[in-house]
Amino acid sequence: AQSVSQHNHHVILSEAASLELGCNYSYGGTVNLFWYVQYPGQHLQLLLKYFSGDPLVKGIKGFEAEFIKSKFSFNLRKPSVQWSDTAEYFCAVRLMDSSYKLIFGSGTRLLVRP
Amino acid sequence: EAEVAQSPRYKITEKSQAVAFWCDPISGHATLYWYRQILGQGPELLVQFQDESVVDDSQLPKDRFSAERLKGVDSTLKIQPAELGDSAMYLCASRDRRDSTGELFFGEGSRLTVL
Repeated sequence: AQSVSQHNHHVILSEAASLELGCNYSYGGTVNLFWYVQYPGQHLQLLLKYFSGDPLVKGIKGFEAEFIKSKFSFNLRKPSVQWSDTAEYFCAVRLMDSSYKLIFGSGTRLLVRP
Repeated sequence: EAEVAQSPRYKITEKSQAVAFWCDPISGHATLYWYRQILGQGPELLVQFQDESVVDDSQLPKDRFSAERLKGVDSTLKIQPAELGDSAMYLCASRDRRDSTGELFFGEGSRLTVL
């Protein structure tokens, strides 16, 4: 069955540290890839997405992600985190088959210490 | 900025009772989703509507859950009877099918606690 894995469930960083959150998926067909963020008390919102083309995509608030097809990965990065990046981050994969289903990973809770 | 509206934000109920959640998607969004997010897990799709029609309800526990979108606009998700394991956040999302980016817009969710 198709699945999305986020191996880091909790990450704690100090401000200005670099961030990389892992995301791997299991599906052999064409996919669209997303990272969503949920700040405390707020709704899920889109950080960035990959459909095709340049595998390095840039999103809002200085985040970027790289799609590595051979590794079925779409890792999220930020060179220097801020306290305001404290949130839960979800990787999601849309299957480009007849289902067009969007499957989420289990999420990574990031705490940035001032 | 247009938002997906959900109510109630919080619901506490006893097991075997009936509960209902309401969602009003962004105006013009034909595609509507109900997701369930159990604590510590990612959102799981329960049901997807295209206008008033169910497109995917393969993960909806149909013995106790039902969903409708009668006029293709707002939607209701019902649980009857509620069980302890139904405690979760119920998220509604919508998408403009004309939008090639495929972005989903989420509401703030309805948090259900079953005692």
